[in-house]
Amino acid sequence: EAGVVQSPRYKIIEKKQPVAFWCNPISGHNTLYWYLQNLGQGPELLIRYENEEAVDDSQLPKDRFSAERLKGVDSTLKIQPAELGDSAVYLCASSFRDYNEQFFGPGTRLTVL
Amino acid sequence: AQSVTQLGSHVSVSEGALVLLRCNYSSSVPPYLFWYVQYPNQGLQLLLKYTTGATLVKGINGFEAEFKKSETSFHLTKPSAHMSDAAEYFCAVTRGNNQGGKLIFGQGTELSVKP
Repeated sequence: EAGVVQSPRYKIIEKKQPVAFWCNPISGHNTLYWYLQNLGQGPELLIRYENEEAVDDSQLPKDRFSAERLKGVDSTLKIQPAELGDSAVYLCASSFRDYNEQFFGPGTRLTVL
Repeated sequence: AQSVTQLGSHVSVSEGALVLLRCNYSSSVPPYLFWYVQYPNQGLQLLLKYTTGATLVKGINGFEAEFKKSETSFHLTKPSAHMSDAAEYFCAVTRGNNQGGKLIFGQGTELSVKP
């Protein structure tokens, strides 16, 4: 069974440019999470989806970040415009019913110059 | 509110020595507790978890952790370190009874293993 897939793995952009990350969860997993991991820190939840509904987006900076999961399967996280402080690893995770079994993807490492 | 504190951002042990990574949590409701491992340039992998029942939890790769409610601790141990154990370890908490979904992570402990 394939794990959580994320692309790209690495992204380097200039500040003020837009960027998008893609995540494909494990087949059948209805819950999808996006986490932000700053260097030397633990991950922090940005947004959680139950199927196509965002049920917890309280930590998502909505002025520049947006996310979607249109068909309740794969998801896209976007930043526009990117700032220097957005340099981090963006992790996607998924789970099926049991919130406590979250499976993580390899992450996308973003560098904003 | 919930929080996690991992004591020691970096722990170094010799190969074959005991590994002890400390985690203390704060939670106003019965917690579920987790340990994850992260190898360089990879995502997080679940080592073990405590939800209910037995307080001594065994995980993969020979790791185990004990939930001590009175001490609000969930320390991770392994009797004998192996070179392949070198990685970043994260303790995490969420609300019990499957109410949450939001994992609260500690800041991580980097484990180094010396030959």
